[in-house]
Amino acid sequence: AQKVTQAQTEISVVEKEDVTLDCVYETRDTTYYLFWYKQPPSGELVFLIRRNSFDEQNEISGRYSWNFQKSTSSFNFTITASQVVDSAVYFCALSSISSGSARQLTFGSGTQLTVLP
Amino acid sequence: DTEVTQTPKHLVMGMTNKKSLKCEQHMGHRAMYWYKQKAKKPPELMFVYSYEKLSINESVPSRFSPECPNSSLLNLHLHALQPEDSALYLCASSQAQGRPYYNEQFFGPGTRLTVL
Repeated sequence: AQKVTQAQTEISVVEKEDVTLDCVYETRDTTYYLFWYKQPPSGELVFLIRRNSFDEQNEISGRYSWNFQKSTSSFNFTITASQVVDSAVYFCALSSISSGSARQLTFGSGTQLTVLP
Repeated sequence: DTEVTQTPKHLVMGMTNKKSLKCEQHMGHRAMYWYKQKAKKPPELMFVYSYEKLSINESVPSRFSPECPNSSLLNLHLHALQPEDSALYLCASSQAQGRPYYNEQFFGPGTRLTVL
């Protein structure tokens, strides 16, 4: 069975602080893909990043960075110098061959990030 | 164009009404999805269409009836819903070729449904 755990239910930070959102996953497959999505109050899930299990390079995109560590089955997401517009629910998700033809994403429970001015 | 559109944005309906949700994408994606999302929960997969054919129905009650008239459109027909069906309904699309689990899904803004 596949599982994604986002232990942080809610996080509040003050603007300009750095914040890390944790994601721990479980899968028996050796080939899998990890995703992060952002869901602002408007409701739309915005795709942020896809990472495959063979690529452990960390990635940086502007103020966003991702740390993928297979040894600890973690795919953490850091926002540097947070802004009020970063306030949203962030979902980590997993997909692999065990997802079958459904291409089903296994979502974590989400982390509500609130950035205070 | 990486946009998935959904109409209406909000819908209030009685338990005896019949209504439809619509989803459209012009990214050339051949896989489309319906999700249901309750407050403070992750999205739950309802249906998957691949090349306009229903490939997955995640044990969804028959009061929800999906339809894929063409490769760009996805509908969800609603009939005799219950108050517990009130939720955000999200549509998504992705490429269908290659390894199915590789392709990221692009989501629409959702329809907020309230059943009275």
